[in-house]
Amino acid sequence: EIVLTQSPGTLSLSPGDRATLSCRASQNISSSFVVWYQQKPGQAPRLLIYGASNRATGIPDRFSGSGSGTDFTLTISRLEPEDFAVYYCQPGFTFGPGTKVDIK
Amino acid sequence: EVQLVQSGAELKKPGESLKISCKGSGYNFTNYWIGWVRQMPGKGLEWMGIIYPGDSDTRYSPSFQGQVTFSVDRSISTAYLQWRSLKASDTAMFYCARPLTINAFDIWGQGTLVTVSS
Repeated sequence: EIVLTQSPGTLSLSPGDRATLSCRASQNISSSFVVWYQQKPGQAPRLLIYGASNRATGIPDRFSGSGSGTDFTLTISRLEPEDFAVYYCQPGFTFGPGTKVDIK
Repeated sequence: EVQLVQSGAELKKPGESLKISCKGSGYNFTNYWIGWVRQMPGKGLEWMGIIYPGDSDTRYSPSFQGQVTFSVDRSISTAYLQWRSLKASDTAMFYCARPLTINAFDIWGQGTLVTVSS
């Protein structure tokens, strides 16, 4: 069974800051299966990135994904007020525990 | 517009049965898998499994195997998630979702809140 970790658990930043979120798997994962979602309170998850680095339709280019093997990263280049949310990685079907990005 | 519309919130007692629904529209329902995701109060997302409406091929996450049942009614483009005997620990929000790729779900239902309490 693959164990997933996301770090940090909480990231406290200000609008305009750069956010770097990590997703680590206990064994190698094909990049084709690495997905990132954003979830805001009271809303369904929103697909951001699939195939480790492909932005979903309508996702701003301040969101980018990278990585390979066991380590994957979601980067938000400049945080907008609407970006404060919880972010989940999903390498395969199991979800990671999530990283909360909140306002500092 | 492609969308998934889920049935409304449910309040049930322990031991009762329940079937919630997820109706697809705006696309050929039988051509896309439907996944189910649980989110317990204040917690993260949990993958429950997927069903292919075209032939009802079903894959359950080991954590949910034997605990729930997925089904579809192709005639009304609707997928179902069912419990035979609810427990308080089944209290959660349940989402259905349709994939863009094998595991990247880009279309989500609005969620169905299930509350199990005596």
